[in-house]
Amino acid sequence: KNQVEQSPQSLIILEGKNCTLQCNYTVSPFSNLRWYKQDTGRGPVSLTIMTFSENTKSNGRYTATLDADTKQSSLHITASQLSDSASYICVVSFGYSSASKIIFGSGTRLSIRP
Amino acid sequence: SQTIHQWPATLVQPVGSPLSLECTVEGTSNPNLYWYRQAAGRGLQLLFYSVGIGQISSEVPQNLSASRPQDRQFILSSKKLLLSDSGFYLCAWSSLGFGVTDTQYFGPGTRLTVL
Repeated sequence: KNQVEQSPQSLIILEGKNCTLQCNYTVSPFSNLRWYKQDTGRGPVSLTIMTFSENTKSNGRYTATLDADTKQSSLHITASQLSDSASYICVVSFGYSSASKIIFGSGTRLSIRP
Repeated sequence: SQTIHQWPATLVQPVGSPLSLECTVEGTSNPNLYWYRQAAGRGLQLLFYSVGIGQISSEVPQNLSASRPQDRQFILSSKKLLLSDSGFYLCAWSSLGFGVTDTQYFGPGTRLTVL
C-alpha cells in the first residue's frame, strides 16, 4: 500500500531550539519528496524538493535529508523562531511519468513558544 | 511574477445548495492546475488536476466536479453540497507534472462550511 506517515503529529519547542520532523514512506517507484510549510488558514509553501539521488537539501534554517534505502526523510529546523509555528507536510510523488501519483502526509503541527 | 487567486475566501452554504469556487493564475502559460481539499486536522487530498483546457482528471469519486474553461482558470463545482464537503479547498499550479522535480504553488484557499 502506498502511504506517507509523519511523526510526531504535533511538537512544542522553545524559541531558539532545534527540532527534527520525520517522514516515512512506502511508495514505488519513488519519484521525489517535498517538504511544505503551511501556516494556519493559508496554502502550503514549498521548502525543499529532493529526488532519488539527493540526500540533503537546505533552505535557510531548514535542512531536509532523504534516505532512499530506508525510505525515510527528515526536516531539521535550526534555531527556531516564532514564525516557524506551522504545519509541516511531507509530500511524495511516485509512479511513472504517464501515471504519476502524489500522496500528502497528514503533517506535523509545530508550535514555537517564546 | 506568477500569482494565484482563489475566491471566495470563506463560504457558508446549506446542504443541497450548489457550489462554485474559482481559481485563476497570472503570469504563466499552460500551467498544470490542481484542486485539493483539506479536512480539519487531516492531510491534503488531491481532488482534480488538469494539464490543459478541457482536460480534467479526477482522483477520487465524489460529489464534486471541475472544469477548465480557460488556460489559467480552474473551477470547482457541485450541484448539491453534502455536509462532508466542508473543508479547506486549495488550488495549486505547477509548470510540470507530479513526477518531475517541480514545485506546486498554492493559492490562499477557500474555507467552506456546509450547514
